Amino acid sequence: NAGVTQTPKFQVLKTGQSMTLQCAQDMNHEYMSWYRQDPGMGLRLIHYSVGAGITDQGEVPNGYNVSRSTTEDFPLRLLSAAPSQTSVYFCASSYSMGNSNYEQYFGPGTRLTVT
Amino acid sequence: RKEVEQDPGPFNVPEGATVAFNCTYSNSASQSFFWYRQDCRKEPKLLMSVYSSGNEDGRFTAQLNRASQYISLLIRDSKLSDSATYLCVVNSRANDYKLSFGAGTTVTVRA
Repeated sequence: NAGVTQTPKFQVLKTGQSMTLQCAQDMNHEYMSWYRQDPGMGLRLIHYSVGAGITDQGEVPNGYNVSRSTTEDFPLRLLSAAPSQTSVYFCASSYSMGNSNYEQYFGPGTRLTVT
Repeated sequence: RKEVEQDPGPFNVPEGATVAFNCTYSNSASQSFFWYRQDCRKEPKLLMSVYSSGNEDGRFTAQLNRASQYISLLIRDSKLSDSATYLCVVNSRANDYKLSFGAGTTVTVRA
């Protein structure tokens, strides 16, 4: 199993550009999520999905869109990049939302710089 | 107030030492607690879950204190490979699967 994969690993964007960060998992996990990690702050949830066709907003959704057309893929789209979106982005997946099983498997991250 | 707070450290300890640190959480209804490990410029990985009765995994011991709303992690016989940032993670809302992450405690083990 490849686990959770993310592309690209690094990206530099100019303000106003749009792009899509790709995330895929091959573990047949229902739950997938996107986080951003900034210095001195914990990971913050951007969007999440509890299954194909179902998405919802997390803590910091503004400026981002997601879709979940298949169980495997959960892309994150930046609509119009801003310098405040410079961050490290992690995609994660887990088996279930059950109270006893929250282990999340993270992808290697995408380091995004917006100039 | 942040939902999950950690001392950022760094904790600099020699090999073989014991190091311990805490994490406090603000929501008394929190249900599940975890420690994740994150190496420099890598993704977080689950280190261990934290159970009400406390639990050990090799050299690592986790404790939960619900009355004071904190969890702790103790590392015995530190190895160079234990150098990492340790993230405290809490399911901060009852019956909600979304997780809250602390900013992390950095541990550096020196030879």
